[in-house]
Amino acid sequence: EVQLVQSGAEVKKPGESLRISCKGSGYSFSNHWIGWVRQMPGKGLEWMGIIFPGDSDPRYSPSFQGQVTISADKSIGTAYLHWRSLKASDTAMYYCARHRSGATNEYFHLWGQGTLVTVSS
Amino acid sequence: DIQMTQSPSSLSASVGDRVTITCQASQDIGNYLSWYQQEPGKAPKLLIYGASNLETGVPSRFSGSGSGTDFTFTISSLQPEDIATYYCQNYDNLPPSFGQGTKLEIK
Repeated sequence: EVQLVQSGAEVKKPGESLRISCKGSGYSFSNHWIGWVRQMPGKGLEWMGIIFPGDSDPRYSPSFQGQVTISADKSIGTAYLHWRSLKASDTAMYYCARHRSGATNEYFHLWGQGTLVTVSS
Repeated sequence: DIQMTQSPSSLSASVGDRVTITCQASQDIGNYLSWYQQEPGKAPKLLIYGASNLETGVPSRFSGSGSGTDFTFTISSLQPEDIATYYCQNYDNLPPSFGQGTKLEIK
């Protein structure tokens, strides 16, 4: 079965670091762009960035550039979203999602189940 | 960046009604437009891509149309299971952008 499975919910304090993961299975992980989407409580969807696991080439939204790091380990079929220093405003649900093909500009064909990140002192 | 203006922000309709949502891009995006459904508490799900192509397994009561800057999403006969928030997304270039969403409720 083709699927994306995300890591579990996290509760962190401001200033802490965090890495959440998204494991792809059932397809050639290296050959499809995979990205992250933020959804703050009660709000809409925000595109954060994508990465091509084959060469770990990331692209970021200007709104998230410098705020997070997107990476991928093609040897274990997993993409990551990393924060060096969390803020309360990072509290949100984060979804990973995959393009259907290897095209850079494409829609998200397959979605993970979401990872809830709560940042609170 | 391209801005997507989606309307209405919320909509209440009866079972069996025809429902229409619009999405306008701030510049020409060709047919690089997709529509997603997000049921409460769930991840988004792709319904339409390329402005009018129905994703495999999606009921035929869902459809999309348009090109350039103006797009329409239609549910031909609203069903109770269609309760969700619907989003358009432009993917003409990076960064892609989502519309603000339309929350659909049953009367």
